[in-house]
Amino acid sequence: AQSVSQHNHHVILSEAASLELGCNYSYGGTVNLFWYVQYPGQHLQLLLKYFSGDPLVKGIKGFEAEFIKSKFSFNLRKPSVQWSDTAEYFCAVIPFNDYKLSFGAGTTVTVRA
Amino acid sequence: NAGVTQTPKFQVLKTGQSMTLQCAQDMNHEYMSWYRQDPGMGLRLIHYSVGAGITDQGEVPNGYNVSRSTTEDFPLRLLSAAPSQTSVYFCASSYSPSTRANTEAFFGQGTRLTVV
Repeated sequence: AQSVSQHNHHVILSEAASLELGCNYSYGGTVNLFWYVQYPGQHLQLLLKYFSGDPLVKGIKGFEAEFIKSKFSFNLRKPSVQWSDTAEYFCAVIPFNDYKLSFGAGTTVTVRA
Repeated sequence: NAGVTQTPKFQVLKTGQSMTLQCAQDMNHEYMSWYRQDPGMGLRLIHYSVGAGITDQGEVPNGYNVSRSTTEDFPLRLLSAAPSQTSVYFCASSYSPSTRANTEAFFGQGTRLTVV
């Protein structure tokens, strides 16, 4: 079974700082990749997704992620965070032609004003 | 378009009680699933369904039952609640990946369950 590893459990930043969250997965075949965000007290919302094509994908709210197949990684980035980016971020992977979405443990991001 | 609707939002149960968490989607999605979210463990798959009449176990199925009699509904039943089942539960739905349709998962608002 595939696994998803998120490197940071809790990240604390100041506003305008840059953010990078690491995500690695263990499945060797073709995968679809996602980053979800969960704001306090809310459900999960999709930030961005990668299915195929350009490995640099752009999502909502200024987030982007880069798929590096050789490293089995899908790291999330934002050049300048805002206080409203305080949330928990989840990386998720689904093997192509499978049904089950696997999540990482999540990274809590706290942005201080 | 309501998306994925879960009820109730909050529930307190006594050990040994049973209950059903409801989940409904109005997007005609084939694939529906239930996750539980616990601190430091991300979301873990409990059960999933790839269509009406078809269900299967996920990573942590013990103590839970599901059924899928219609495309729209996917209830989760706790047979005899235990304190270890205290968690936040999310229902999700998406198209079938095998059709190459959008595999983004849409999530419900969650049910916060406490078992005392």
